[in-house]
Amino acid sequence: DSGVTQTPKHLITATGQRVTLRCSPRSGDLSVYWYQQSLDQGLQFLIQYYNGEERAKGNILERFSAQQFPDLHSELNLSSLELGDSALYFCASSFGTENIQYFGAGTRLSVL
Amino acid sequence: EDQVTQSPEALRLQEGESSSLNCSYTVSGLRGLFWYRQDPGKGPEFLFTLYSAGEEKEKERLKATLTKKESFLHITAPKPEDSATYLCAVQSAGNMLTFGGGTRLMVKP
Repeated sequence: DSGVTQTPKHLITATGQRVTLRCSPRSGDLSVYWYQQSLDQGLQFLIQYYNGEERAKGNILERFSAQQFPDLHSELNLSSLELGDSALYFCASSFGTENIQYFGAGTRLSVL
Repeated sequence: EDQVTQSPEALRLQEGESSSLNCSYTVSGLRGLFWYRQDPGKGPEFLFTLYSAGEEKEKERLKATLTKKESFLHITAPKPEDSATYLCAVQSAGNMLTFGGGTRLMVKP
């Protein structure tokens, strides 16, 4: 158990809908990262937050947004969902910005 | 742009048959090279971090090494429970990890 908690584990929704994925980092970790893993693209970095502020952005679509709350948990919001958004979404956390990243078990999103 | 290429994509070994996985990378300013293990349907599990060429780290049957252009994950006398996908990632100035496509390892008893 990495100590990073992601909910829900599975999410099934329809095209055009909006969903929210939640991540609780390891106790004491200030950085949260979001990654998308699909069969054809592998594990891709989406966005990073450090102590409530956005620190880095990767290949994140404009339809996707994230935030980190004062208690350090983070949410990834996906809107206007398309079939191609079906993937595993992972959250990772680290103490600082250059430390080892520990991953949660992921949320499997299926867009039908 | 950072790039990571892992080979082979898949590797089948007999129990006890040692081998190596390769991770080639191109990065501007390497801050760290990471190896993770991922089991089906689970999140990546941290194995090693290497920071400079010549560095080596070991854990049980696994040994990771680093040169200026690539890293190797050596698996000595593997067991069926070592079957998993092994991911290599680099961290540069942007702090995020850039992952390779992974090597899917299958160890048969």
